[in-house]
Amino acid sequence: GAVVSQHPSRVICKSGTSVKIECRSLDFQATTMFWYRQFPKKSLMLMATSNEGSKATYEQGVEKDKFLINHASLTLSTLTVTSAHPEDSSFYICSARDHQPPQKLFFGSGTQLSVL
Amino acid sequence: AQTVTQSQPEMSVQEAETVTLSCTYDTSESDYYLFWYKQPPSRQMILVIRQEAYKQQNATENRFSVNFQKAAKSFSLKISDSQLGDAAMYFCAYRSVGRGGSEKLVFGKGTKLTVNP
Repeated sequence: GAVVSQHPSRVICKSGTSVKIECRSLDFQATTMFWYRQFPKKSLMLMATSNEGSKATYEQGVEKDKFLINHASLTLSTLTVTSAHPEDSSFYICSARDHQPPQKLFFGSGTQLSVL
Repeated sequence: AQTVTQSQPEMSVQEAETVTLSCTYDTSESDYYLFWYKQPPSRQMILVIRQEAYKQQNATENRFSVNFQKAAKSFSLKISDSQLGDAAMYFCAYRSVGRGGSEKLVFGKGTKLTVNP
């Protein structure tokens, strides 16, 4: 079946540094990818919708300069957490939608970010 | 905006028994998709079942079935013959029907299911 690869699975960084998370569709093309954030024992909160070749659409309350999203190809989207702070520590999940009908959605395995 | 409500933060079931997880949603749209996702401790999101709103027939996937009541905006998940591997967080989700593919999933807060041996 279709696979979405998300890397890294876990990252620990110092406060003030930037962290890049990759989301890659391995055997299908994804014109749309979604980035979610999940706090412990909570639901998934959509951060932004990433469309290939255009600017991402951010949800209300999500700082676009803080969470940079790039979707430069049909198989890769990246989320960069800039100048990370401890409050950015969270589980980040991407999902990718196959552009071919029936446009199924597949999730990555997530990235646990810990900012010290 | 659409909302999804899961009123049961936690549920438990005995192995081999049946359990039903509740989900209600609010929308003004007439056509849409509904989903149940499972998130085990690995945190990988796994699609359990999908329902198209225009279909009256309830979706079924092996031991998993739904009770879709469109007028009541209710979408419950029934797990039959529960297995230890069914223990997980279960999320109900809504998605609008669109042509662009950028329609997002709206998730409920989740129900933690425990399966007792």
